[in-house]
Amino acid sequence: AQSVSQHNHHVILSEAASLELGCNYSYGGTVNLFWYVQYPGQHLQLLLKYFSGDPLVKGIKGFEAEFIKSKFSFNLRKPSVQWSDTAEYFCAVNAFGNEKLTFGTGTRLTIIP
Amino acid sequence: AAGVIQSPRHLIKEKRETATLKCYPIPRHDTVYWYQQGPGQDPQFLISFYEKMQSDKGSIPDRFSAQQFSDYHSELNMSSLELGDSALYFCASSSQISSYEQYFGPGTRLTVT
Repeated sequence: AQSVSQHNHHVILSEAASLELGCNYSYGGTVNLFWYVQYPGQHLQLLLKYFSGDPLVKGIKGFEAEFIKSKFSFNLRKPSVQWSDTAEYFCAVNAFGNEKLTFGTGTRLTIIP
Repeated sequence: AAGVIQSPRHLIKEKRETATLKCYPIPRHDTVYWYQQGPGQDPQFLISFYEKMQSDKGSIPDRFSAQQFSDYHSELNMSSLELGDSALYFCASSSQISSYEQYFGPGTRLTVT
């Protein structure tokens, strides 16, 4: 079974700072990787996804993530955060041919104006 | 664009009561997934359906059952409710064509008192 680790539980940044949230997964086969964002009191929204091809994927709202297969990592980045990026961020994975998502424990991001 | 609809949005039940949560997938989506998110926790996969058949099962208690109907909507039935069932229950849907991308509904917040 696959598992996902997000080592940063709570990150606090000032506006305009650069962001990188770590995500590592454990699975021996082919995986699909996702980052979801959950704004306070709202549902999960897909930020970006990686299925295959270019390991650097760009998502909505200026976010990007890089898949490094050798490190089993899929870190989320944004060069300049905004106050509106305050939210919970979940990394998720599913195995090729099995759609159920396994989520990491999430990273709470707080942006200080 | 149409999104996943869940009803009710909020539900308060007492211990040992039953609850039924409903999910209406995005039109032409044939797969439905149920996830449970406890307070401060990551979403946990419960169960999924494809073309009205159960396709996968996760950590769903025996007290819970679910089904998908001919119009592809799904219902999660929860009996003998316990305090620990208090959580946000998300439904997600996907299509076979893009089966690795799940679109989440707003969730039903169940409170068991």
